[in-house]
Amino acid sequence: QSVLTQPPSVSAAPGQKVTISCSGSTSNIGNKYVSWYQQFPGAAPKLLIYEDYKRPSGIPDRFSGSKSDTSATLDITGLQTGDEADYYCGTWDNSLSAEVFGGGTEVTVL
Amino acid sequence: QLQLRESGPGLMQPSETLSLTCTVSGGSISDSRYYWGWIRQPPGKGLDWIGNIYYDGRTYSNLSLKSRVRISVDTSKNQFSLRLTSVTAADTAVYYCARQAGHYDYHDYWGQGILVTVSS
Repeated sequence: QSVLTQPPSVSAAPGQKVTISCSGSTSNIGNKYVSWYQQFPGAAPKLLIYEDYKRPSGIPDRFSGSKSDTSATLDITGLQTGDEADYYCGTWDNSLSAEVFGGGTEVTVL
Repeated sequence: QLQLRESGPGLMQPSETLSLTCTVSGGSISDSRYYWGWIRQPPGKGLDWIGNIYYDGRTYSNLSLKSRVRISVDTSKNQFSLRLTSVTAADTAVYYCARQAGHYDYHDYWGQGILVTVSS
């Protein structure tokens, strides 16, 4: 059972938009920055979003992050077949004194 | 370009001690802006934070593993290491090392990962 809650899967047609939610609490998302990672099968996670909404160099603006209270959201617009991957949210949890991650969301392009 | 690479055994017996090393190239592990962390991922499951270390040796570990985990740093070799004692099948996972932007912050560079299987 992950501390942060994500939907197991989301899907949409090419060109459409998907939204991945990440729900936490005041001990984590509510008071700490959220990051998002993209992971392809057999590969290491890759940083997509940091400090809630910032994109590292080279990440397309089709990927965007936001946060409100104790929930964070990753939006992927203009969905492409190459976006099929698992996506994880992560943040620090003050109560656990540990970094925590969501259980991951599998994105499928229909 | 910063690169991290994990090294260590791929197969272990229960009750043994796991030792992994992460070698950093293209940057200095003594850079005061960063921490260096270990994260693992059991097969088919999500990410679990193990702990991190600062270049001066300050370490922080997940309380769920703390009694079994030791993280160390060797700045002369630009490496940091993970030691996990008394492994069981539940420790079977891909182990990643990664650079962390701060003690509480995101991981911006990751190693390729190393699969460690614990089996008799």
